[in-house]
Amino acid sequence: GEDVEQSLFLSVREGDSSVINCTYTDSSSTYLYWYKQEPGAGLQLLTYIFSNMDMKQDQRLTVLLNKKDKHLSLRIADTQTGDSAIYFCAEAPQGSSNTGKLIFGQGTTLQVKP
Amino acid sequence: ETGVTQSPTHLIKTRGQQVTLRCSSQSGHNTVSWYQQALGQGPQFIFQYYREEENGRGNFPPRFSGLQFPNYSSELNVNALELDDSALYLCASSLGTSGASQETQYFGPGTRLLVL
Repeated sequence: GEDVEQSLFLSVREGDSSVINCTYTDSSSTYLYWYKQEPGAGLQLLTYIFSNMDMKQDQRLTVLLNKKDKHLSLRIADTQTGDSAIYFCAEAPQGSSNTGKLIFGQGTTLQVKP
Repeated sequence: ETGVTQSPTHLIKTRGQQVTLRCSSQSGHNTVSWYQQALGQGPQFIFQYYREEENGRGNFPPRFSGLQFPNYSSELNVNALELDDSALYLCASSLGTSGASQETQYFGPGTRLLVL
């Protein structure tokens, strides 16, 4: 079936690293995404990784992909209070029956304490 | 800012009514996807429109319908509203290159619908 799982809550201190984890089920997914949602707002694309990559780094963000275990993680270095938000992992399954569909996890609420 | 806009920002309707939500794509994008996000949940895919045709659909009943216009803006229509339709409705635009493309989607701010 189609399912993306994330832990619901993470609390860190400002300046620490945050690691948000995600597991997905569809091995056909070519791209995997991380989106950020601030209160009352839409989704902001943070980064994405192609399925033939193990790691992608983009400034303070590092994405790790373990395709064998279908595990994706997002590491935020030097976490700031402005990083407090809900983070969604999403997979993009392939195939004509999945056209256009992104499957999202439930979201991980990141709380950054000063 | 993604350049994707949605209107209205908030809406209150009563059960049984009909609603139309609007989305304007990012410049140069020809594909629009709609999602429903219930409180505390991740977004759920409703459908996608590519070049004015429905291109893919999630597990939503036929009372959820849509349109895409020649300028690639889009509408989501929901008939016979139910209490469970209360949610944030998000549209996302992307640059599709074929009917089965899966390109990166950029989201608008959403329309918050409350059904009483």
